[in-house]
Amino acid sequence: KQEVTQIPAALSVPEGENLVLNCSFTDSAIYNLQWFRQDPGKGLTSLLLIQSSQREQTSGRLNASLDKSSGRSTLYIAASQPGDSATYLCANNAGNMLTFGGGTRLMVKP
Amino acid sequence: DAGITQSPRHKVTETGTPVTLRCHQTENHRYMYWYRQDPGHGLRLIHYSYGVKDTDKGEVSDGYSVSRSKTEDFLLTLESATSSQTSVYFCAISSQRDNTGELFFGEGSRLTVL
Repeated sequence: KQEVTQIPAALSVPEGENLVLNCSFTDSAIYNLQWFRQDPGKGLTSLLLIQSSQREQTSGRLNASLDKSSGRSTLYIAASQPGDSATYLCANNAGNMLTFGGGTRLMVKP
Repeated sequence: DAGITQSPRHKVTETGTPVTLRCHQTENHRYMYWYRQDPGHGLRLIHYSYGVKDTDKGEVSDGYSVSRSKTEDFLLTLESATSSQTSVYFCAISSQRDNTGELFFGEGSRLTVL
């Protein structure tokens, strides 16, 4: 069974810092890996999708990388802002079914 | 926005009563999913559908049934609600047209079973 782990579970940083969120998975036979953002009481917003054949994807201040051989993905957030405060979830797709990590709750302080 | 509407958004019901949650999409996507989100357990797949009348079980399907009679609607039914089914339920869709498999989520339905 695929397992997805996110470390740290919570992170608090001052505004302006660059930060890295980690996601590890047990089965490297993945279809793709997706990063989401969830605000309190809201649904999940898709941030980045990395196909299994890709190594990274970028969107604005966000960069996600994928290393299938080591079973890891990272989400890099540049120049963090208070508006980035949310829970970030990674999900591993092994064929139409996503397995989610527990999330990293990020707080960016002004 | 991905064009996903969940209803109702909030519901309080009593143990033993039937409950149906509806997910409606305007994207004409093939795949639809129902997840539940609980503290300490994260998001877990209940059921999914890969076409009209084509459904399959997920990780936590016991106590739930689904139906998909039209491409745009995916219904989740709790035949006899229990307190353990108190949760936030999310519907998701995936196009699978170009094999990206990117998932888009609805806003969620918060269910409380007393």
